[in-house]
Amino acid sequence: DAGVTQSPTHLIKTRGQQVTLRCSPKSGHDTVSWYQQALGQGPQFIFQYYEEEERQRGNFPDRFSGHQFPNYSSELNVNALLLGDSALYLCASSSNRYTEAFFGQGTRLTVV
Amino acid sequence: QKEVEQNSGPLSVPEGAIASLNCTYSDRGSQSFFWYRQYSGKSPELIMFIYSNGDKEDGRFTAQLNKASQYVSLLIRDSQPSDSATYLCAADDMRFGAGTRLTVKP
Repeated sequence: DAGVTQSPTHLIKTRGQQVTLRCSPKSGHDTVSWYQQALGQGPQFIFQYYEEEERQRGNFPDRFSGHQFPNYSSELNVNALLLGDSALYLCASSSNRYTEAFFGQGTRLTVV
Repeated sequence: QKEVEQNSGPLSVPEGAIASLNCTYSDRGSQSFFWYRQYSGKSPELIMFIYSNGDKEDGRFTAQLNKASQYVSLLIRDSQPSDSATYLCAADDMRFGAGTRLTVKP
C-alpha cells in the first residue's frame, strides 16, 4: 500500500513564477491538507480539501490555491512566487477531517 | 484565533531518562490531539493520538490529556539517542504547534 506521495521532491523557481505541487493520498483517504514548513518552524496550515472542495483555509494569501480531483489527489498552486515562499511543502491525507493524518515526504521549494 | 503552543526547547535529556514534552491549546472545542515526530529533513510521522482525558500508553510513549486545563503532554520513557527529533503537537483541526526539539545524549 503506497502511502502519501508528493511530486516533485525538489523544485527551484524564480521570483514571480508560478508553481504546481502534486499529492496523491494514502489509499482509502479522502481528505487532503497542505502545509508550509519553514526551517525551524512547525507546519503552517494552508488549506484542506474534501469532496473536491476547499473546506478550511489558513492564513495564506489568495496566491495560494488548490484543487482536489475525483480520485482524491490534489494540487497546490502558488502564483507570483516570493522569496519568502521558499519552504518545505507538506501534504497530509486522512480518512475524514478528524482522524489522524499521514504525511508525504514533502516538496522542497526554493525561490531565487 | 485558535492556537496550539509548545515550548520550542531545545530539551536535552540523558539516555535512559524520561523526556516530558508539553502542549497547550486555545480552542475548547478541540476533541482529539496528535503527537508527531519529525527527524531533520524528513516529514512528520504520527506517534500517537489521544481523545479522552487521562493517559494513553503505547510502548515507551505516554500521552496525557487534560481538557479542563487545555493541556496535552507526551512522556518518553527510557529515552534513546534515536528519539532525538522535533516533536509536534496538533489539534484535530490539524493546526500544529511550532514543535519541541529533543536531544537525547548517550
